[in-house]
Amino acid sequence: GENVEQHPSTLSVQEGDSAVIKCTYSDSASNYFPWYKQELGKRPQLIIDIRSNVGEKKDQRIAVTLNKTAKHFSLHITETQPEDSAVYFCAASSTGNQFYFGTGTSLTVIP
Amino acid sequence: DAGVTQSPTHLIKTRGQQVTLRCSPKSGHDTVSWYQQALGQGPQFIFQYYEEEERQRGNFPDRFSGHQFPNYSSELNVNALLLGDSALYLCASSLGQGLNYEQYFGPGTRLTVT
Repeated sequence: GENVEQHPSTLSVQEGDSAVIKCTYSDSASNYFPWYKQELGKRPQLIIDIRSNVGEKKDQRIAVTLNKTAKHFSLHITETQPEDSAVYFCAASSTGNQFYFGTGTSLTVIP
Repeated sequence: DAGVTQSPTHLIKTRGQQVTLRCSPKSGHDTVSWYQQALGQGPQFIFQYYEEEERQRGNFPDRFSGHQFPNYSSELNVNALLLGDSALYLCASSLGQGLNYEQYFGPGTRLTVT
């Protein structure tokens, strides 16, 4: 099955700086890569996703890049704000039915 | 437009007991997936239901079973509970099996096994 690895496990940045979280996957058939934000005690919420026919996608301060050859994808958050503090999960799927999640990155934005 | 709902929010059970968790999908969604999220870990896929049948299953023992009803709501049953079953159980709904990949998660049920 698919194996998704996520780094770093914890990340602290100063407010206004950028944050980058990286994930690698093993199954070349994976073609959908969502990112979820989970605040303490709350449900994971989809913040951005990318499909394998696209190399980069941007939504305001959030961007995701995908390198299919290297089997890795990254989340970029620019101009970080304290409310960006949360746990971020990457995931991969080849069918849209079964999703494999990374182990999460705890992001702390220091005011 | 109601999102994904789950009940109960919290549950405490004893080893060996059985538990049933419930999920109602987002309005318009017909596919329900269940995940187990241990503390400090990412969600792990248990199984997915579509058209009242289990369509995909992750690496979980037969103690984990489920059901989907005609109104698309779903139940997760866990028999012979173990201490290691303590986790947050998340339900996610989507539209169509493999047609629209976007999943919406419910708030989860926190299960504690003592």
